[in-house]
Amino acid sequence: AQKVTQAQTEISVVEKEDVTLDCVYETRDTTYYLFWYKQPPSGELVFLIRRNSFDEQNEISGRYSWNFQKSTSSFNFTITASQVVDSAVYFCALSTGSYNTDKLIFGTGTRLQVFP
Amino acid sequence: DVKVTQSSRYLVKRTGEKVFLECVQDMDHENMFWYRQDPGLGLRLIYFSYDVKMKEKGDIPEGYSVSREKKERFSLILESASTNQTSMYLCASSLLVGGNTGELFFGEGSRLTVL
Repeated sequence: AQKVTQAQTEISVVEKEDVTLDCVYETRDTTYYLFWYKQPPSGELVFLIRRNSFDEQNEISGRYSWNFQKSTSSFNFTITASQVVDSAVYFCALSTGSYNTDKLIFGTGTRLQVFP
Repeated sequence: DVKVTQSSRYLVKRTGEKVFLECVQDMDHENMFWYRQDPGLGLRLIYFSYDVKMKEKGDIPEGYSVSREKKERFSLILESASTNQTSMYLCASSLLVGGNTGELFFGEGSRLTVL
């Protein structure tokens, strides 16, 4: 079975705090892709990152960083020095990358609220 | 910029009505998707299409059908709306890039209330 678990339903922080959003996935496939999407209050999900199962290097993009660990089946997302504009619902997703499809399995999302 | 446009942001329908949700993308993407989003359940795939006139069931297709007569347009149809179909519906599209999974581009969503 394929599954994505985001155990944190809601997180509240004060601006400039660091925050980590957890994501644990399950799949029996050896080739798969992991994603993070951001859904701001406007409603439109925005792609943040894609990682394939063969690349365990951590990635940093500005204040965002991602930690992929196959040993624990986790793909955690850290925001450094959070800002009010980071307030959104964040979704982790999994795809086994079957040819011709982009079928993503989403987690239930983590709502992040950043207070000034 | 890629644009995925959903025809209605908010709809209110009555039980038993036929409902059409329209989605148009302007980037010549092969793949199009319909998801529904519910609190505590995340996004669940209803139907997807990887080519004109092609469609495949997702995880929760019951009570829904789709139509893709043109590459840029993907419609979700509720033949007889029921209250348990009250939800946020999200359309997405993606470009086929070889055999690899590409990123999805989403519309702003259509919030449907069935009374």
